[in-house]
Amino acid sequence: QQQVKQSPQSLIVQKGGISIINCAYENTAFDYFPWYQQFPGKGPALLIAIRPDVSEKKEGRFTISFNKSAKQFSLHIMDSQPGDSATYFCAASPRNIYNFNKFYFGSGTKLNVKP
Amino acid sequence: SAVISQKPSRDICQRGTSLTIQCQVDSQVTMMFWYRQQPGQSLTLIATANQGSEATYESGFVIDKFPISRPNLTFSTLTVSNMSPEDSSIYLCSVGVARDRNTGELFFGEGSRLTVL
Repeated sequence: QQQVKQSPQSLIVQKGGISIINCAYENTAFDYFPWYQQFPGKGPALLIAIRPDVSEKKEGRFTISFNKSAKQFSLHIMDSQPGDSATYFCAASPRNIYNFNKFYFGSGTKLNVKP
Repeated sequence: SAVISQKPSRDICQRGTSLTIQCQVDSQVTMMFWYRQQPGQSLTLIATANQGSEATYESGFVIDKFPISRPNLTFSTLTVSNMSPEDSSIYLCSVGVARDRNTGELFFGEGSRLTVL
């Protein structure tokens, strides 16, 4: 059973547009929700993360929106650029951040930003 | 932060052979992990390799197929044994670094892309 469901599988956005990737989870023990960005031939890198005590976190053009009651969270990329073209993974882990072996990853979204 | 180097970056292997992937971290870390990423797929945890203890394998992964060594706090190896084409995948080394008691980060190496013929 997939712990974190991610959509869409792929996304094409024009330069300057908004990219939105959605994730949903069921396990209420999850307490930490990071997003990872992976370029071809590279390992995933942490992009931004949120805890459920806030509904939104913004870092530059990247924003996480979190809906605790709906158990959903999303990544918004404002003013999308061709350099943002990558695969994005959402993830979730339970309380006690030291449980790194309990990170559950979504299936990934391949973003292509057209010039 | 942690900088992770993996070797080899890619390899083409024959069915039935074994390959050992090395992972070197630029700082001492307690928690190290091995992931598999099949083409176009998500990340699947193979095992947790903490120094001083036996590796802990996730469901579907066994020590005979994926033996792991963790001789010190900066190094680990993963061996893919008796390879078959189904083992063709990217294998990622990862370390967990706690920033404080509430937050932490997983750092990943660039991966080792294995193709089994």
